[in-house]
Amino acid sequence: AQKVTQAQTEISVVEKEDVTLDCVYETRDTTYYLFWYKQPPSGELVFLIRRNSFDEQNEISGRYSWNFQKSTSSFNFTITASQVVDSAVYFCARTNNNDMRFGAGTRLTVKP
Amino acid sequence: DSGVTQTPKHLITATGQRVTLRCSPRSGDLSVYWYQQSLDQGLQFLIQYYNGEERAKGNILERFSAQQFPDLHSELNLSSLELGDSALYFCASSVGGRLYNEQFFGPGTRLTVL
Repeated sequence: AQKVTQAQTEISVVEKEDVTLDCVYETRDTTYYLFWYKQPPSGELVFLIRRNSFDEQNEISGRYSWNFQKSTSSFNFTITASQVVDSAVYFCARTNNNDMRFGAGTRLTVKP
Repeated sequence: DSGVTQTPKHLITATGQRVTLRCSPRSGDLSVYWYQQSLDQGLQFLIQYYNGEERAKGNILERFSAQQFPDLHSELNLSSLELGDSALYFCASSVGGRLYNEQFFGPGTRLTVL
């Protein structure tokens, strides 16, 4: 199976710290898409970002930024100046449009 | 609120039973996706329907089946339930028919099999 690996099971930081969540994926496909989702304590899944395999540009959205590197098959997510509301489980996922694979998730706790 | 509704919110049943989970997509969305989230297996894609037709299939067991009706709501049927089927089942919807489309998730149905 073409896995998605999120090696960090849990991360705990203090508010205002920067934190990076790692995601490494396996794929034999030329065309694929990568995602990050947030699952706050309330339980619903919230879409954060999608990148396709042809677009390696880094993306910034407010305090969130994503670093996509095909050479290392990684799609890492950085939260700058973390806030308590960022506490959640974050999932990385990959699809080739026939299947969708998720990582195991990283539980981020931001303490005040 | 994503606009995707799922019923029931909670379901408790016994092994060997059959249950039906229901999902109503956002207004205008043609695709419905089903996912299972369990402690053992994590988050798994089960199946996708687009405008009534099956579009993509993931790790869906043979005991499970789904369909999408003409009004675009979808049902996930789980039969011969086992303890390991206890999980949170999410439905998501999107306008387009591709797995890479931005999906909007419902609040989930928590199934407990005793």
